[in-house]
Amino acid sequence: DTEVTQTPKHLVMGMTNKKSLKCEQHMGHRAMYWYKQKAKKPPELMFVYSYEKLSINESVPSRFSPECPNSSLLNLHLHALQPEDSALYLCASSQGTAQGSYNEQFFGPGTRLTVL
Amino acid sequence: GENVEQHPSTLSVQEGDSAVIKCTYSDSASNYFPWYKQELGKGPQLIIDIRSNVGEKKDQRIAVTLNKTAKHFSLHITETQPEDSAVYFCAASNGGNRDDKIIFGKGTRLHILP
Repeated sequence: DTEVTQTPKHLVMGMTNKKSLKCEQHMGHRAMYWYKQKAKKPPELMFVYSYEKLSINESVPSRFSPECPNSSLLNLHLHALQPEDSALYLCASSQGTAQGSYNEQFFGPGTRLTVL
Repeated sequence: GENVEQHPSTLSVQEGDSAVIKCTYSDSASNYFPWYKQELGKGPQLIIDIRSNVGEKKDQRIAVTLNKTAKHFSLHITETQPEDSAVYFCAASNGGNRDDKIIFGKGTRLHILP
């Protein structure tokens, strides 16, 4: 299995809602990532987990809360989002090593989030 | 930190012709350079990558070249086909460090004209 899966594919939420995005991989990768991508822009890194520990937080607002329950799963909990948070949210994974080799990142298809 | 510049932002090529996308990077410590293809409504797909100990790499119709001295790397697509139409991102990273990140260029929208 060489795939990163993400659910849901689309999500519409109000500014007072709480929702979660899910990501799963079964490649044995030990590094997992959340990116945000606005239209016609490159992906922007939000969080990196290495060996189930948060290793990078790119100064993301606290209304985004990542969680890594185990080496195959990555969640992004959303609460009190703003309309400007509407974007494609991408999950990725890479082999990862104790030295932090983040090469060869494989991306999932993304969740298209709309905040009303 | 690393900065990756990518040109052109848009490229239209006649089907069957070649397409070239160029990137430059700023951090001489970068040693890994992936290229991603993103089709509409999909996540980026890794299509080819090159490491700093190699000057050129080829995979069928796709090739990447790297000039470490000039800090340039390029993607070459030969015999372009309609399915090559997509947005292409170059990227650079300093693999091997714990806090390593992939830094993306701004992307090139490639149109293959019939």
